Amino acid sequence: DQQVKQNSPSLSVQEGRISILNCDYTNSMFDYFLWYKKYPAEGPTFLISISSIKDKNEDGRFTVFLNKSAKHLSLHIVPSQPGDSAVYFCAASQTQGGSEKLVFGKGTKLTVNP
Amino acid sequence: DAGVIQSPRHEVTEMGQEVTLRCKPISGHNSLFWYRQTMMRGLELLIYFNNNVPIDDSGMPEDRFSAKMPNASFSTLKIQPSEPRDSAVYFCASSMRRGGRTEAFFGQGTRLTVV
Repeated sequence: DQQVKQNSPSLSVQEGRISILNCDYTNSMFDYFLWYKKYPAEGPTFLISISSIKDKNEDGRFTVFLNKSAKHLSLHIVPSQPGDSAVYFCAASQTQGGSEKLVFGKGTKLTVNP
Repeated sequence: DAGVIQSPRHEVTEMGQEVTLRCKPISGHNSLFWYRQTMMRGLELLIYFNNNVPIDDSGMPEDRFSAKMPNASFSTLKIQPSEPRDSAVYFCASSMRRGGRTEAFFGQGTRLTVV
């Protein structure tokens, strides 16, 4: 059962425009959410996160929005750049007995065209 | 710190053989995760440890898979016997609780091919 869902396997946008990547989750116990970026032949790297007590977190060109009632989060990249082309993974964290379980979605491949 | 180190980077083995993947987490991190990446299932959590103790192994596909963490600086994921459907990229990640929440740092992965 996929607890973290990224329903769009791919997204293509023009350089300079906004990229919006979406993520849905089912487990209401998740209380911390992260986005990771992955280039081919590399491990995922952390991009931005948000706590469940917030609804927005911004870091430069990257903004994550959280809608708890809808169990939905999104990553906005503006303006998009060709170097942003990568696979983006949404992740959700749940505390278990003092440690944290980190669950990922299937990923969305973003292509930013020059 | 060199980051999370995984070995080997690539492994090709014949069906039925034992495969051992290795991971050295970042020094000082107290949580370690093993993930498997496939096209169909994305990044799938197999097992994770906290302070060298397995906390949740519900993602381990079947008894052919086992993982150990004998000390804070080393972990192994073993598949015995291996099957072609185990072919995937296996990632190890580590994290440390800081300010209440954490981010995990990933190794570069081991690409496993079982023929």
